Amino acid sequence: DAGITQSPRHKVTETGTPVTLRCHQTENHRYMYWYRQDPGHGLRLIHYSYGVKDTDKGEVSDGYSVSRSKTEDFLLTLESATSSQTSVYFCAITTDRGGTEAFFGQGTRLTVV
Amino acid sequence: RKEVEQDPGPFNVPEGATVAFNCTYSNSASQSFFWYRQDCRKEPKLLMSVYSSGNEDGRFTAQLNRASQYISLLIRDSKLSDSATYLCVVEGQAGTALIFGKGTTLSVSS
Repeated sequence: DAGITQSPRHKVTETGTPVTLRCHQTENHRYMYWYRQDPGHGLRLIHYSYGVKDTDKGEVSDGYSVSRSKTEDFLLTLESATSSQTSVYFCAITTDRGGTEAFFGQGTRLTVV
Repeated sequence: RKEVEQDPGPFNVPEGATVAFNCTYSNSASQSFFWYRQDCRKEPKLLMSVYSSGNEDGRFTAQLNRASQYISLLIRDSKLSDSATYLCVVEGQAGTALIFGKGTTLSVSS
């Protein structure tokens, strides 16, 4: 158990509303990631962080922003949710930089209606 | 060429069968390779790392061919509990993050 908690676990929101997903870890790891998983696409990297206030874009970052003001929390924000952002969102951590084993949170199922 | 490609399956096999999954990757500079397992509506979990010399963990054997940029996973004596989606995972550009294949679905039946 890598001590990763995602909240909320499920959310339904309306198009155009802002949404923030939270990833919380208890192990003090530097490296955190947000992925989304969709049928036919697999897991795709949205944003990642190598430390407090150190974030960068992944493959599918458009429409998403992140913040990391504390080591333990990595927030993913959809500024104005769209139906194309309906997905399962997974947070992950690695104990070292990106080429090492990743541990995942349980996921957040987001539906934008 | 996509970064990590897998045959999506599904692979439907009887208990006791041997099944092999293949994966190709595009980043020749990748140094780390993994197989993850994902059960329905759950998070992915590490099944095994893949080493250059090949490695085995019980009924599971992983192979890496760097020249062909090809990774394989062999499952022997399949169990019902092996039914899941298997994800091929490769280190991304400059080691920024892990890149996941779309997964291969395995269904083992009695």
